[in-house]
Amino acid sequence: AQSVTQLGSHVSVSEGALVLLRCNYSSSVPPYLFWYVQYPNQGLQLLLKYTSAATLVKGINGFEAEFKKSETSFHLTKPSAHMSDAAEYFCAVSQIQGAQKLVFGQGTRLTINP
Amino acid sequence: EPEVTQTPSHQVTQMGQEVILRCVPISNHLYFYWYRQILGQKVEFLVSFYNNEISEKSEIFDDQFSVERPDGSNFTLKIRSTKLEDSAMYFCASSTRAGANVLTFGAGSRLTVL
Repeated sequence: AQSVTQLGSHVSVSEGALVLLRCNYSSSVPPYLFWYVQYPNQGLQLLLKYTSAATLVKGINGFEAEFKKSETSFHLTKPSAHMSDAAEYFCAVSQIQGAQKLVFGQGTRLTINP
Repeated sequence: EPEVTQTPSHQVTQMGQEVILRCVPISNHLYFYWYRQILGQKVEFLVSFYNNEISEKSEIFDDQFSVERPDGSNFTLKIRSTKLEDSAMYFCASSTRAGANVLTFGAGSRLTVL
């Protein structure tokens, strides 16, 4: 079975500061990993995905994430936070083959302070 | 940019009533999904649908739930007799293929059961 744990249901950073959202996964088979973002009253939008190619993945809006197999982690980072980054962020895992479902973490709400 | 459209955005219903949530997936997508998020909890997989039949479903998706693609564009989720615990945000998603391909999510339909 697969699972995802996001450390911190709420993260608050100052504008211009580093954003670090933590995600650890559990999977008995090689995983695909995703970060989705949800802005208020909108659907889940893909930020980036890891699909067994480069371990450092760059996504939209300046976000990136690094797959670390030894740590079973896929933390999301952004060097400098913008006010527009305020949203809910979800880490998710799926299997490389076969399974069609995403298993989500509980989400992290990111607040940006002026 | 193509998007997944869901209606209604919010529905309030009495316990025991039937509810139908509607989704229009992206036109060239072949795989369709329903997920739900109970307030304060994780986004959970309900069901996936391909080639006019369910390809996978979770333990949540019991006999009270059904899905249908009645025509070439709509994808519906029906709850036959709603319970209080069915109150949640329901997300529809679609993708061009299975596995780890990117899912495009709709904005969600919030269901409140009284």
